[in-house]
Amino acid sequence: AQSVTQLDSHVSVSEGTPVLLRCNYSSSYSPSLFWYVQHPNKGLQLLLKYTSAATLVKGINGFEAEFKKSETSFHLTKPSAHMSDAAEYFCVVREPGFQKLVFGTGTRLLVSP
Amino acid sequence: DTGVSQDPRHKITKRGQNVTFRCDPISEHNRLYWYRQTLGQGPEFLTYFQNEAQLEKSRLLSDRFSAERPKGSFSTLEIQRTEQGDSAMYLCASRMGASGETQYFGPGTRLLVL
Repeated sequence: AQSVTQLDSHVSVSEGTPVLLRCNYSSSYSPSLFWYVQHPNKGLQLLLKYTSAATLVKGINGFEAEFKKSETSFHLTKPSAHMSDAAEYFCVVREPGFQKLVFGTGTRLLVSP
Repeated sequence: DTGVSQDPRHKITKRGQNVTFRCDPISEHNRLYWYRQTLGQGPEFLTYFQNEAQLEKSRLLSDRFSAERPKGSFSTLEIQRTEQGDSAMYLCASRMGASGETQYFGPGTRLLVL
């Protein structure tokens, strides 16, 4: 069965410092993996997706993630945090042949001045 | 705005009442999904439509819940005899057919059952 574990419920960084949000997945097959962001009172927005092409995926707003099959990880990074990055981030998995997305429990990113 | 829209954005109801939510997907998207998100959790899948056919339902979707997509465009989600445990954000998403990977989400309907 597919599942996702987000290793940190909260991550705090200072503006201008790097961001690392960790995600491990479990899947019987080669899954599709996504990161979505949820700002307060706004809908979920896709940051980036991995669908069995390049293992280093670049997304919007300077975010990127690397698919590591040997570690079953898909960590999200950004070189320099901005105040506007403060939000809830979800790691998501979808197995081939399945329609549903399976979400992690989320990581709240806090950015201080 | 050509994104996914949901109505209402907020709903407060008393326990035992029925509620209905509407979702309008992106116009060319033939696949539509409903998810539920409770506080502090990620969204959980409820059900999926391809055109007007409901092809998959989660075990989370009890018999008090019913979803329709009568003409393959907008969808409704009805909850009968609401319970306090139904309080959550109800999210709708849509995507293109077989060639589309990304699900696009609406802003959600926040339900509070008193």
